[in-house]
Amino acid sequence: GENVEQHPSTLSVQEGDSAVIKCTYSDSASNYFPWYKQELGKRPQLIIDIRSNVGEKKDQRIAVTLNKTAKHFSLHITETQPEDSAVYFCAASTGFQKLVFGTGTRLLVSP
Amino acid sequence: EADIYQTPRYLVIGTGKKITLECSQTMGHDKMYWYQQDPGMELHLIHYSYGVNSTEKGDLSSESTVSRIRTEHFPLTLESARPSHTSQYLCASSGGVVTRNTEAFFGQGTRLTVV
Repeated sequence: GENVEQHPSTLSVQEGDSAVIKCTYSDSASNYFPWYKQELGKRPQLIIDIRSNVGEKKDQRIAVTLNKTAKHFSLHITETQPEDSAVYFCAASTGFQKLVFGTGTRLLVSP
Repeated sequence: EADIYQTPRYLVIGTGKKITLECSQTMGHDKMYWYQQDPGMELHLIHYSYGVNSTEKGDLSSESTVSRIRTEHFPLTLESARPSHTSQYLCASSGGVVTRNTEAFFGQGTRLTVV
């Protein structure tokens, strides 16, 4: 079955810096890669996703890149703000298998 | 409005009691999941379902059971609650079997305390 590894487990940056979180997956059949943000005391919510037919997707300050050959995908946050502080989860799935999550990255943005 | 609902939001219960955590979704999703999560920590999958009458255990060993008699309903039952079950339980649903592969939507969670 699918296995998703996520790094780093914690990431501290200064406000305005960029943050990058990386994930690798094992199942070459995976074709859908969402990213979730979970603020303290709240449920995880989707912030961006990418499908295997594209290599990059951007939405304002966040972007996701996908390298199918290497089986890894990354979340990029530019111009970080204190409200970006949260736990971020990557995930991967094929159409028929369950969605598999990474172990999470705690991002702390200091003013 | 299409969403995923969990009840109760908070539950304090004595050791040895039987409890059922409810989860319902109105999005027509095929797949449903139960996760156990301590605050800010990893999502541990305890059960999932691909559709009606289809349930499988997840990666985390659990003393709970689930059922999927209707597409929209996926209750989790603990036959005998123990203090080690104290945690937050998150229910989620996603498309992808007979419907388009989509992200998972999470319920608000049930915070369980066993005393």
